[in-house]
Amino acid sequence: GQQVMQIPQYQHVQEGEDFTTYCNSSTTLSNIQWYKQRPGGHPVFLIQLVKSGEVKKQKRLTFQFGEAKKNSSLHITATQTTDVGTYFCAGVGAQKLVFGQGTRLTINP
Amino acid sequence: NAGVTQTPKFRILKIGQSMTLQCTQDMNHNYMYWYRQDPGMGLKLIYYSVGAGITDKGEVPNGYNVSRSTTEDFPLRLELAAPSQTSVYFCASTLSTNTEAFFGQGTRLTVV
Repeated sequence: GQQVMQIPQYQHVQEGEDFTTYCNSSTTLSNIQWYKQRPGGHPVFLIQLVKSGEVKKQKRLTFQFGEAKKNSSLHITATQTTDVGTYFCAGVGAQKLVFGQGTRLTINP
Repeated sequence: NAGVTQTPKFRILKIGQSMTLQCTQDMNHNYMYWYRQDPGMGLKLIYYSVGAGITDKGEVPNGYNVSRSTTEDFPLRLELAAPSQTSVYFCASTLSTNTEAFFGQGTRLTVV
């Protein structure tokens, strides 16, 4: 079945450093979505990428979708303490939304 | 807009007991999902539904059952609760596979 792998599992950075999480699917995806979950909260939608090679930006966050539509990345520039949380990618295949394991980001102020 | 509402928020069950986790959405979404999240882990798909009357298994369906008699409701049934089912359960809904998923606040279940 469809699998979505995400690395790294954990990342600890100093405030102001950059952060990147990577997502890889075993199958070609129709689209990929990114979510953020604050500690103790529920996942909240950040963005969706649909086109091969697509790049989208949200302030300090940059999202990329690979040319083969099997991988994606989220890059945060100059992290802030408000960026703390777990970032999930989610791929759509066979009508179901399958999540990666998530990358837990902690930040030293 | 209430969005996706899950009840209860917390529950402690004894081994062998059963319970139903409720999920309702008021956005007229076709797709609904149940995930479980173990401590420090990701979201694993239990069951999903693409519309009223249609359900299908996800990655970890054993020990659970679902029904989708209406567009709004997607209850998750646990029969014979086991300690391995201790987890946080999230319900989510989407209009289609190309739109964002909205999550409920989660149900924290402990089986002792």
